[in-house]
Amino acid sequence: DAKTTQPPSMDCAEGRAANLPCNHSTISGNEYVYWYRQIHSQGPQYIIHGLKNNETNEMASLIITEDRKSSTLILPHATLRDTAVYYCIVWNSGGSNYKLTFGKGTLLTVNP
Amino acid sequence: SAVISQKPSRDICQRGTSLTIQCQVDSQVTMMFWYRQQPGQSLTLIATANQGSEATYESGFVIDKFPISRPNLTFSTLTVSNMSPEDSSIYLCSAGHLTEAFFGQGTRLTVV
Repeated sequence: DAKTTQPPSMDCAEGRAANLPCNHSTISGNEYVYWYRQIHSQGPQYIIHGLKNNETNEMASLIITEDRKSSTLILPHATLRDTAVYYCIVWNSGGSNYKLTFGKGTLLTVNP
Repeated sequence: SAVISQKPSRDICQRGTSLTIQCQVDSQVTMMFWYRQQPGQSLTLIATANQGSEATYESGFVIDKFPISRPNLTFSTLTVSNMSPEDSSIYLCSAGHLTEAFFGQGTRLTVV
């Protein structure tokens, strides 16, 4: 069972920041928060992951609340090519629950 | 990041036949997973491919229908056996190592 909750869909204007929320209230201490996206007809693409600190890379920023029960993926300047389904996943590859399990994700539509 | 190659990328098969999908990773990885993605749905984990031993299947998936091999740390196969139209889906391979996991582009299977 997926351990995360995401809104089913969101819209964003091109050039604006897209903020995608995720709730993971049952996250355990050694589980990371991962974000992937899936553009139509392609395999999921890794975006970013973090444990407790905020993270930033060339694609996005990840903001994790202090209690780690929720997080937000930020695409700072969304483009039309960012239209995709975004998946928030909690995962500990070295733990007893090592399986990478997907929920339903958020369909982000970037509008011109 | 690991590069994952899946073959074939797509196929159209007759019902009652079997198809073997290959997954090749360009580096040694700890974990390999197989997923199914039905039209309009999220990814469902079929099984974890274990090197040198039987795969670990998720509820609803059985070895007779989806035999999996993993002879080494960089290669795995998934066979979809005795296919029916309900097996028409995208099948995806994933490979993980330490805190990273990446996906192939998938195999789009149509059973007629």
